[in-house]
Amino acid sequence: EVQLLESGGGLVQPGGSLRLSCAASGFTFSSYAVSWVCQAPGKGLEWVSAISGDGRKTYYADSVKGRFTISRDNSKNTLYLQMNSLRAEDTAVYYCARELSASGFFDNWGQGTLVTVSS
Amino acid sequence: EIVLTQSPGTLSLSPGERATLSCRASQSVNRNYLAWYQQKPGQAPRLLIYGASSRATGIPDRISGSGSGADFTLTISRLEPEDFAVYYCQQYGSTPLTFGGGTKVEIK
Repeated sequence: EVQLLESGGGLVQPGGSLRLSCAASGFTFSSYAVSWVCQAPGKGLEWVSAISGDGRKTYYADSVKGRFTISRDNSKNTLYLQMNSLRAEDTAVYYCARELSASGFFDNWGQGTLVTVSS
Repeated sequence: EIVLTQSPGTLSLSPGERATLSCRASQSVNRNYLAWYQQKPGQAPRLLIYGASSRATGIPDRISGSGSGADFTLTISRLEPEDFAVYYCQQYGSTPLTFGGGTKVEIK
């Protein structure tokens, strides 16, 4: 069974940093591109960042470019999102999601981790 | 960036009725790379449709997708109690990947 388990969320002050993790199991992690998708409280979904299976290619939404860094450790089956210079508008549930065939749509999602940016 | 507009914002229907949800793009979606997801409160989204009309694994045939270019539709032929949820479309034909604002299907 495919499983994605996010962790690392919490309360952080504006300007602070946080690192999210997503532990994958039940599939060959290195064979799949994965993304982070966020959802602000009561709002819709927003794609944040993606990384190829081998980690060589990364992509970012304009809203996080230069502040967030996506990475992965295929030996640990884990995806990361380093979040710096956090803003109140970054407050959201962050999901990791597996892309089917590196296509850009998501066939499996984690349950999400909540990031709250507030003083 | 491709903007996706979903309508209506809320659809109030009874079990057994037909639901028709619209997703319109600000420009043509490459190769009709359009997906639909269902999300229930407190849960992660679930993939329903990809490639505009292909059902994901385990999705019942009462749920179907259609459309091309910039105009797409999700149809639920007969609403079951478990279908009352929020539905999102997503285009993956170009970056950045974008989602529509969602349509809530609620019990009338």
